[in-house]
Amino acid sequence: GEDVEQSLFLSVREGDSSVINCTYTDSSSTYLYWYKQEPGAGLQLLTYIFSNMDMKQDQRLTVLLNKKDKHLSLRIADTQTGDSAIYFCAERFSGNTGKLIFGQGTTLQVKP
Amino acid sequence: NAGVTQTPKFQVLKTGQSMTLQCAQDMNHEYMSWYRQDPGMGLRLIHYSVGAGITDQGEVPNGYNVSRSTTEDFPLRLLSAAPSQTSVYFCASSTSQGGETEAFFGQGTRLTVV
Repeated sequence: GEDVEQSLFLSVREGDSSVINCTYTDSSSTYLYWYKQEPGAGLQLLTYIFSNMDMKQDQRLTVLLNKKDKHLSLRIADTQTGDSAIYFCAERFSGNTGKLIFGQGTTLQVKP
Repeated sequence: NAGVTQTPKFQVLKTGQSMTLQCAQDMNHEYMSWYRQDPGMGLRLIHYSVGAGITDQGEVPNGYNVSRSTTEDFPLRLLSAAPSQTSVYFCASSTSQGGETEAFFGQGTRLTVV
């Protein structure tokens, strides 16, 4: 079956690195995504990784993918208070449907 | 370029009432989806469509109907609202033409059923 799991809460101090983890079950998923949701807003795509990649870096964001363990992580370097939000991991369902399966979301709290 | 537009942004319904949540996209995307967001449960897929005239059920379809008569529009109908349908609803659209794909989300509709 399709399932994506995330821890619900992470608290860090401003300037520290944040690491948000995600596990998934569909080994045939093609893309894995990280979305950010600020309070009262919709979801904004942060970054994505194709399933044949191990790592992707985009400015302060680093995505690591371990296909063997079906584990995905998002590292935010030099975390700022503006990074406080809910972060969702999602996998694109295998098969050409455009369907995404989301995790529960991790609330990131950044303390000054 | 408006992207994905959802209306209304807020709605209060009485139990048993019906209503339609509207979703429109202007990006000529073939895929459109409806999700509901509840605390601690992430986004759960209600219904989705891979093109005009084609719809299918997601994880939590009961109590909701959809149709896709045009590429642009994907309305979600609540036939007889129940308090359990109190949630935030998001519509998304995407395309897949090889390479990277991104799902674009609307701003959400906050629905309260009393």
